[in-house]
Amino acid sequence: DTAVSQTPKYLVTQMGNDKSIKCEQNLGHDTMYWYKQDSKKFLKIMFSYNNKELIINETVPNRFSPKSPDKAHLNLHINSLELGDSAVYFCASRPSDRDRDEQYFGPGTRLTVT
Amino acid sequence: GDSVTQMEGPVTLSEEAFLTINCTYTATGYPSLFWYVQYPGEGLQLLLKATKADDKGSNKGFEATYRKETTSFHLEKGSVQVSDSAVYFCALRHRRNTGFQKLVFGTGTRLLVSP
Repeated sequence: DTAVSQTPKYLVTQMGNDKSIKCEQNLGHDTMYWYKQDSKKFLKIMFSYNNKELIINETVPNRFSPKSPDKAHLNLHINSLELGDSAVYFCASRPSDRDRDEQYFGPGTRLTVT
Repeated sequence: GDSVTQMEGPVTLSEEAFLTINCTYTATGYPSLFWYVQYPGEGLQLLLKATKADDKGSNKGFEATYRKETTSFHLEKGSVQVSDSAVYFCALRHRRNTGFQKLVFGTGTRLLVSP
């Protein structure tokens, strides 16, 4: 009955590799997000999708490519991983109702690039 | 652009002490304001929110009042517990013209409560 789930929870990989992180929400929400949290806990939005369409792209390198096969899923693919990509990545979702403020976060994926 | 500034942590308190975590913001218009909490190893959870000036958000003994005149939204709790140890994020909602919202977060404040 998990609301927002992410896989994997931990990901350790070498520089130059390509990896994907998956996110699924079973809340029926229309909008989904990816956030990056660095080692100092600073949290920054990367992307937002609404009904499978990209609506926010916060100057993230082209190596990061989100993909939304349906409105319940938003996956994040990263090419040519770099050391600076090491962080915790959080997926979140929100209903499309403008008066519903809450974003529901997944448990995070800790990515370590060596 | 919009921004949120929080006091740096960690904030270290003994159980039953009074808590204040300061948060101020810079934004155009009238944003909604939020406090999110992140317990160790977990994602963020909404703690409380306020959508207009002088609103008070409250939940689990925590309170914060939207102060437009001082552009602040300080988090308070009268008596903290060890289980309150977590990282607390202040955030504002930047509503774009299209209606799609974006949250802008502060840097987070770690709270450590000892028995």
